[in-house]
Amino acid sequence: AQSVSQHNHHVILSEAASLELGCNYSYGGTVNLFWYVQYPGQHLQLLLKYFSGDPLVKGIKGFEAEFIKSKFSFNLRKPSVQWSDTAEYFCAVSPVGSQGNLIFGKGTKLSVKP
Amino acid sequence: DSGVTQTPKHLITATGQRVTLRCSPRSGDLSVYWYQQSLDQGLQFLIQYYNGEERAKGNILERFSAQQFPDLHSELNLSSLELGDSALYFCASSAPSAREQFFGPGTRLTVL
Repeated sequence: AQSVSQHNHHVILSEAASLELGCNYSYGGTVNLFWYVQYPGQHLQLLLKYFSGDPLVKGIKGFEAEFIKSKFSFNLRKPSVQWSDTAEYFCAVSPVGSQGNLIFGKGTKLSVKP
Repeated sequence: DSGVTQTPKHLITATGQRVTLRCSPRSGDLSVYWYQQSLDQGLQFLIQYYNGEERAKGNILERFSAQQFPDLHSELNLSSLELGDSALYFCASSAPSAREQFFGPGTRLTVL
């Protein structure tokens, strides 16, 4: 069965630190890849997406992610986090050719200390 | 604000009861997806509708059902509720041929 693994359950950083959240998926075919963010008490918002082309994609709020096909990975990065980045981050995949439903990882809670 | 609306925001009910959650997709979106978010299972896909027809089913219990109406709003019906059904239920919508989904604010269901 297809699955998505996010290795870190909770990450605590100080402001201005760099961030990298890991995401690996298990699926042999082509996938569409997404990162969603859920701020406290809010709904899921799309942070960035990868469908094809340049494996380095840039999203909103200074986030970027790199797709490494050989490693089945789609890690999220940000060079310098802010207190306002405190949220839960979800990696999701959707196999190409499926009806588009998303398979989510368990999420990584990011706490940024001011 | 994603443009996807869900009602009610909170729902508290007792075991054995039945509830209906409602979702209105963004204007122009034909697909509606339902997801369940719980502490132990995380975010799980339940069911998808496209322009009134069921398109895909995920880990949806037989006690749960959904439909999408001609005006494209969708309802998720949960019956014979159990304590373990307590969760956040999200609806998402997407435009025809689009691959990204936009999520509503969710309905928090508490079963006592």
